[in-house]
Amino acid sequence: ETGVTQSPTHLIKTRGQQVTLRCSSQSGHNTVSWYQQALGQGPQFIFQYYREEENGRGNFPPRFSGLQFPNYSSELNVNALELDDSALYLCASSTQTRGSEYFGPGTRLLVL
Amino acid sequence: AQTVTQSQPEMSVQEAETVTLSCTYDTSESDYYLFWYKQPPSRQMILVIRQEAYKQQNATENRFSVNFQKAAKSFSLKISDSQLGDAAMYFCAYRSATGNQFYFGTGTSLTVIP
Repeated sequence: ETGVTQSPTHLIKTRGQQVTLRCSSQSGHNTVSWYQQALGQGPQFIFQYYREEENGRGNFPPRFSGLQFPNYSSELNVNALELDDSALYLCASSTQTRGSEYFGPGTRLLVL
Repeated sequence: AQTVTQSQPEMSVQEAETVTLSCTYDTSESDYYLFWYKQPPSRQMILVIRQEAYKQQNATENRFSVNFQKAAKSFSLKISDSQLGDAAMYFCAYRSATGNQFYFGTGTSLTVIP
């Protein structure tokens, strides 16, 4: 059974740029959630995708957007990057919209 | 909005001893789930244990057990026979039975002393 994978592991961008982060869900999982984890904080919910549709969103602006593909993999896109977007971005998958979530290793984004 | 509070930023325990990590939460709902996740320096969040609010029996997973006090809105994690590999950041999390969002606490950093 393949776990949740994310790419890239690290990324450096400059303010104003755009970034795309990728996530492959665990085999058999149809739900993907994205979280932002600032240094020293707990993860903050960005949004969730279920069967290719957004299924809930946290308190993040529209420049944070996402996609889920038919194979249940997912992308997180962030436009007009700001310095405060520097964080660890975690992807988590589950078998249903309210099940236990299994996390990937994260992508560390640094915005300069 | 639901809030999850972990009042112990750091804890330490001697190897082979027992340690308890505290978590409280605030909710007006009656049906929900509670979780403890472990995040080692490798960054990957690992599910440690899960508790359904409708179950009175406390969940256990090998050396890990919880003390779930629904009326007090308390959900502590007990780690028995602590091992060096238990050293990590531990996060308590809440999920409503009707929602899809996890709410995490700020974490407790656990050090295991050899």
